[in-house]
Parts: sequence; structure tokens; C-alpha cells
Amino acid sequence: DTAVSQTPKYLVTQMGNDKSIKCEQNLGHDTMYWYKQDSKKFLKIMFSYNNKELIINETVPNRFSPKSPDKAHLNLHINSLELGDSAVYFCASSQDFGGGLIQFFGPGTRLTVL
Amino acid sequence: GENVEQHPSTLSVQEGDSAVIKCTYSDSASNYFPWYKQELGKGPQLIIDIRSNVGEKKDQRIAVTLNKTAKHFSLHITETQPEDSAVYFCAASDSNYQLIWGAGTKLIIKP
Repeated sequence: DTAVSQTPKYLVTQMGNDKSIKCEQNLGHDTMYWYKQDSKKFLKIMFSYNNKELIINETVPNRFSPKSPDKAHLNLHINSLELGDSAVYFCASSQDFGGGLIQFFGPGTRLTVL
Repeated sequence: GENVEQHPSTLSVQEGDSAVIKCTYSDSASNYFPWYKQELGKGPQLIIDIRSNVGEKKDQRIAVTLNKTAKHFSLHITETQPEDSAVYFCAASDSNYQLIWGAGTKLIIKP
């Protein structure tokens, strides 16, 4: 069974569109994350979220928003897509909120904006 | 805030030789230092971690060393094999308990 899953694996869309990426974890974890990985492989944290707190990286444009229908899901909504949004997006989860905990990553969603 | 620097960005070693990747951090309050391996087309996966109360940890061919005084930590892979080829990331927890990531090292194992 996949611990952290994401859909879709590939997403190709036009500039200006709105899209969503879904993430689900079956580990019973309380905290989930979204990361952006650019073409140079640099990993950038976008959001950290549990049922108590949302931490937003201040450099993330407000076109990006996380939505959590329940503890096992954290979806990423992106409005008005731009060329620079092209990247691989990773969802991750950890048992609780804290830097000393193992993060489990999903397989990634490659977003291409044309 | 915390800053993590990772070197080298690319490392090519002969199969069977050892590989060493180094990271430095800036926040002396950091107390957790994991290493993740990312294979092609996959998400990063934890391979080893170390906490600030120990100086070294080993797991088969992989070891991590930590020098708190100098604020640096290193990943050592011995007897490298083709399946070790991947991108490796170091990270450090900052004072807000967030993980701050290094820029990654692409490790190439030459047959």
C-alpha cells in the first residue's frame, strides 16, 4: 500500500488556468506538507499543515492555497498559473508537527505550464 | 534564520570507492539532521539521521558524522554500488522545528 499518494502524476496546462493536485496519506499522520522542486532539484517548503496550525512560506504567492478536507488529505490549489510554476510538486507527511520527525514523501506531480 | 549549505553539487566516484557529502548549518540551536535520498522519478526518502546528542551514527555502508562546534555534518557511503546513484539532500531543523534543506548532491557511481 502506498503511504503517501498524489494525483495526477503529470499535469500539463495553459497559463492562466486554475488547477489542483491531490494528496492522501494512509499513515495516520497529523502533519502534511507541500514542497516545490525546481529544475535544479532545489527543494522548497511551501506549506506545513496540521489540524492546529498552518505555516506558509512567505515567499509563496497567494495564488497557491492548501485545502485539507480531513487529516489524511492535503490538496494544493493553484490559481492563474504562470510559466514559473512549472516544477515537480511533492506532498509529504510526518507523525506530528516538528523538525525532528521523519517526513514521508509522495511520488511527485510534474506540472508543466505552457 | 537557519541556512544549510551542501557540497559538492555533483560527485562522481568509481564503483567500490567511498563518497562523502558535506553540509554546514548556521543555527546553533538546530538539533536534528536527516539525510534523504531521491532516486530518479521518485520522492526523497530518509536514509539516515542524527540528533545533536551523538557525534556519529552508522547503518551498514552509510554513516553520518556531526561536529556541533564547527556546525557541520557529513554523509559517508562506503563500497559504493550502482544503486547508490541518486540525489542526496541534507537538512537541519531550525528553531521553529522546520526542516531547512540543502541544495542537493547528485551522486554518480561509475562502473
